Amino acid sequence: SQQGEEDPQALSIQEGENATMNCSYKTSINNLQWYRQNSGRGLVHLILIRSNEREKHSGRLRVTLDTSKKSSSLLITASRAADTASYFCATDVPYNTDKLIFGTGTRLQVFP
Amino acid sequence: KAGVTQTPRYLIKTRGQQVTLSCSPISGHRSVSWYQQTPGQGLQFLFEYFSETQRNKGNFPGRFSGRQFSNSRSEMNVSTLELGDSALYLCASSYLSGGRDTQYFGPGTRLTVL
Repeated sequence: SQQGEEDPQALSIQEGENATMNCSYKTSINNLQWYRQNSGRGLVHLILIRSNEREKHSGRLRVTLDTSKKSSSLLITASRAADTASYFCATDVPYNTDKLIFGTGTRLQVFP
Repeated sequence: KAGVTQTPRYLIKTRGQQVTLSCSPISGHRSVSWYQQTPGQGLQFLFEYFSETQRNKGNFPGRFSGRQFSNSRSEMNVSTLELGDSALYLCASSYLSGGRDTQYFGPGTRLTVL
């Protein structure tokens, strides 16, 4: 079964609006990463947040991590049509020989 | 630096055949991980190679195998192809092993099994 579950599965917004995606996971982690995938292509790394960090920013992206709730959120501010993609969280699970496990993804559609 | 490259980009095979996919990591990266992506199962971890040794393996049958060469290039092989093996196969490289590091993905190989 998947370690991470993203919510919502799909999200449609207008350009300029903010998009928030959530990721819940089941076990303790070393770090949590967010990736973007444009249709049928490889994944692009966005942000890595370690288990002892609570918030991280990168440009228009803001990631929070709540280890007590085993959840993370990705906020994209002032979205653009080019942000249209699928977004995945991935967790580094320490006692599973440190392999990266991906969630189910959120499909984001930004309309111009 | 050149990114991760995967060859071929597209493949069409028939059931029962075997296939070999290739991945060249970013220069200096010693870890190569392979993932299978399907609409139904999402992104599933196949295996990871680090310095020519398989370090991790996902829950896939023995028909899926891989190897890594001394220059860190990696290949994965699928024997006796089944229809359900149709998927996008992604490889990713990183400097550190496991999930401790940012993974840099290639564009993927789209495998269709008829």
